[in-house]
Amino acid sequence: AQSVSQHNHHVILSEAASLELGCNYSYGGTVNLFWYVQYPGQHLQLLLKYFSGDPLVKGIKGFEAEFIKSKFSFNLRKPSVQWSDTAEYFCAVNGNTGRRALTFGSGTRLQVQP
Amino acid sequence: DVKVTQSSRYLVKRTGEKVFLECVQDMDHENMFWYRQDPGLGLRLIYFSYDVKMKEKGDIPEGYSVSREKKERFSLILESASTNQTSMYLCATRGGTGHYEQYFGPGTRLTVT
Repeated sequence: AQSVSQHNHHVILSEAASLELGCNYSYGGTVNLFWYVQYPGQHLQLLLKYFSGDPLVKGIKGFEAEFIKSKFSFNLRKPSVQWSDTAEYFCAVNGNTGRRALTFGSGTRLQVQP
Repeated sequence: DVKVTQSSRYLVKRTGEKVFLECVQDMDHENMFWYRQDPGLGLRLIYFSYDVKMKEKGDIPEGYSVSREKKERFSLILESASTNQTSMYLCATRGGTGHYEQYFGPGTRLTVT
């Protein structure tokens, strides 16, 4: 079975600080990896995704993530956060198990203080 | 743009009531999913459907059932609502083989009193 761990449950940063949110998954085969974001009062939307190729993927709003296969990790980064980045962030994985649904981590609540 | 709509944003029901949550998508996607979202637990899969009238249990199906009579519509049914089913319910869709990205609806916050 596949699982996803997000170790940072609540992160508080000041504007302009750098961000890194951890995500580790437990599946040894080929995986598709995602980061979703949920802004307050809004629906979940895709931030970025990794299917294959360059392990450094860029998403919307200046976010990027790096897939490190040897570490089973897909950490999310942003060099300089803004107040508008306050949201909950979810890492998700889909391995080639035939399972059609995504497996999500428990989420990280990011609070950016002005 | 993919559009996924859910019938209600907020719903309050009493213990023991039968509850229907509706989800409609406009992208002709084969796969549809119901998740519940709880603080600290992320999203957990309740049921999904990969075709009309086809369904499979997810990770937490107990107390729920689903119906998919038309491709665009996927309903979640709480046969007898209980207070531990108070949660945010999210519907999602996904295209066919090779398309793993899921698209989410706005969610229904259900409170069972």
